[in-house]
Amino acid sequence: GQQLNQSPQSMFIQEGEDVSMNCTSSSIFNTWLWYKQDPGEGPVLLIALYKAGELTSNGRLTAQFGITRKDSFLNISASIPSDVGIYFCAGQLRGGTSYGKLTFGQGTILTVHP
Amino acid sequence: NAGVTQTPKFQVLKTGQSMTLQCAQDMNHEYMSWYRQDPGMGLRLIHYSVGAGITDQGEVPNGYNVSRSTTEDFPLRLLSAAPSQTSVYFCASSYSPRTGDGSNYGYTFGSGTRLTVV
Repeated sequence: GQQLNQSPQSMFIQEGEDVSMNCTSSSIFNTWLWYKQDPGEGPVLLIALYKAGELTSNGRLTAQFGITRKDSFLNISASIPSDVGIYFCAGQLRGGTSYGKLTFGQGTILTVHP
Repeated sequence: NAGVTQTPKFQVLKTGQSMTLQCAQDMNHEYMSWYRQDPGMGLRLIHYSVGAGITDQGEVPNGYNVSRSTTEDFPLRLLSAAPSQTSVYFCASSYSPRTGDGSNYGYTFGSGTRLTVV
């Protein structure tokens, strides 16, 4: 099956620093999604990207859909303690029943020191 | 709106027991899925459904059954629980291309069921 490689696996940063994480795939996706998961909760959608080259922002978060459709990155600017959590990328194909399936990266564990 | 509701939140089973994890959504989403989350492995798709009466297998379907008799509900059945099924299970739902507006296909997740098989 398709594999998503997400890096880094974990990050320890100081409050106020910027953060960058990325996902790469061996095959193309038509949609890239970025989720955040807090302890004991389900993933919450942060940003959705639907077109190659698309750059989308949501507050301090910015994500881009790679031109090759095989990668995506997420940036968090001026990190704050509540940014702590696990961040997941997910890829989705379109067409037929492919919409029903998401392929997830392994996650990036973010720790923010005050 | 309640969103995606999963029950129970916690469950302990003995090896060989069967049980059903419940999932309900009130957003009129056509697509629903079940994922399991294990440490260091992200979320892996178990089964999914693109509408009432239609289900298909995901990446790790063995040992699980699903059915979709209504748009709102998508239960996951463990036929004979094994320790390898100890995990956190998430249900998710989404609009389909037919009912979405082209910008809202991201899945909404429930808060999970933490299952331990002993």
